[in-house]
Amino acid sequence: AQKVTQAQTEISVVEKEDVTLDCVYETRDTTYYLFWYKQPPSGELVFLIRRNSFDEQNEISGRYSWNFQKSTSSFNFTITASQVVDSAVYFCALSEDQAVSNFGNEKLTFGTGTRLTIIP
Amino acid sequence: ETGVTQSPTHLIKTRGQQVTLRCSSQSGHNTVSWYQQALGQGPQFIFQYYREEENGRGNFPPRFSGLQFPNYSSELNVNALELDDSALYLCASSPLAKSSYNEQFFGPGTRLTVL
Repeated sequence: AQKVTQAQTEISVVEKEDVTLDCVYETRDTTYYLFWYKQPPSGELVFLIRRNSFDEQNEISGRYSWNFQKSTSSFNFTITASQVVDSAVYFCALSEDQAVSNFGNEKLTFGTGTRLTIIP
Repeated sequence: ETGVTQSPTHLIKTRGQQVTLRCSSQSGHNTVSWYQQALGQGPQFIFQYYREEENGRGNFPPRFSGLQFPNYSSELNVNALELDDSALYLCASSPLAKSSYNEQFFGPGTRLTVL
């Protein structure tokens, strides 16, 4: 069974500080995908990143960066120079490889989310 | 290009009633998935439809059912509502199934309250 753990329930930081959101996952699959989604108060899930299990390179996109470590089953998300607009709930998610999946597209297994508040 | 839309935005029902939630997929998408997100929790997969047929189901009882129409819009039906069914229901659509990775696009959700 797949499982995603986001141990940080809530985080508050002052604007312009850096913040890291932790994600630990469990899966028996050798091929899988990892995701981060942002959920603002409006409720819609906004896709941030997808990472294939074979690609362990870290990624940077503007103020966002992701650290994927297969050895520790972690996929952490860092926001540098945080802004008030970053305030939201962030979800880490996991899916099995579509090539071997019974599903046409991935069934996402989500963590419980981390509520991030940026204090102006 | 129109995104994923859901209706209604909010809904209040009483225990034992039935409810139908609707989703219009993004143009060109033939796969739709439904998720339930209880307060303070992550979304939980309910089921997925591909070309009008159920294509996978999560750990939800049979009173949760769905339909997908030829235009790829979708409905989620819940019978005999229980208090624990109160949640945000999210619909996500994606294009061609069983191919290379296809990103899911989420709608804004329907907030269901069961009294």
